[in-house]
Amino acid sequence: EVQLLESGGGLAQPGGSLRLSCAASGFTFSSYAMSWVRQTPGKGLEWVSSISGSGESTHYADSVKGRFTFSRDNSKNTLFLQMNSLRAEDTAVYYCAKEVPQWTYWGQGTLVTVSS
Amino acid sequence: DIQMTQSPSTLSSSIGDRVTITCRASQSISSWLAWYQQKPGKAPKLLIYKASSLESGVPSRFSGSGSGTEFTLTISSLQPDDFATYYCQQYNNYPRTFGQGTKLEIK
Repeated sequence: EVQLLESGGGLAQPGGSLRLSCAASGFTFSSYAMSWVRQTPGKGLEWVSSISGSGESTHYADSVKGRFTFSRDNSKNTLFLQMNSLRAEDTAVYYCAKEVPQWTYWGQGTLVTVSS
Repeated sequence: DIQMTQSPSTLSSSIGDRVTITCRASQSISSWLAWYQQKPGKAPKLLIYKASSLESGVPSRFSGSGSGTEFTLTISSLQPDDFATYYCQQYNNYPRTFGQGTKLEIK
C-alpha cells in the first residue's frame, strides 16, 4: 500500500525558514518523480515543485523559485522541502504527491503558517 | 503559463442528476489533463487522467472527455458521496496548473 506522510509544518515568522519532509513507502521510491502541491486556506490548489526520481532535475513555481529547495534521499525514501525567506502568502497546507505523471497518491498534508 | 478555466464555479444538483463540468486550457495540452475530487479537510483524489482514463477504483459513473483545449468531466448519476469540489489540472508542461475548482452542492 502506497503511503506518503508529511511532517515539519508549523508556525514560522516572515523571513524565517521551515523544512518539510515526506516519508514514502509501498512503492519503488527512486523510480518516481514526486511533487509538492499546496492549498491556501479556503482556496484552490497550487503546484509548488517537482523532482525527478534520481533527484537530478527539479522544477519550481515562480512564486517559490530562489526561496524553496526540493531534494530527496532515495536511500531513506524521503523528500525534503527547504523553505526559506517565508512570506505570509506561503501559508498553506502542503501535500507531497507521487507523479506518474498525474498525481496518483497524496499525503494527508502538513500546515505551514507564516505569521508574526 | 497555461491558464486553466473551469465552469461553473458552483453547481447545485440533485441525487440522480447528470452533471457536466467544463475545463478550458489557454493553449493546447493534448490529452495531458487530470481531474481530482476533494472533500473538506482531505487531500485531492485522482478521478481521471489523460483526459479520459478512469483511475482504478473510481466508479464508472465518472467519465472524462476532450483534447486540445476543451475538456469535460461528467458524472452520469449523482450519488451522495459525489458532493465535493472538483479540479482540473494540466500536466503538459511546467508549471503545472489547476483550474479554480467547481464546488458541487446539493440542491
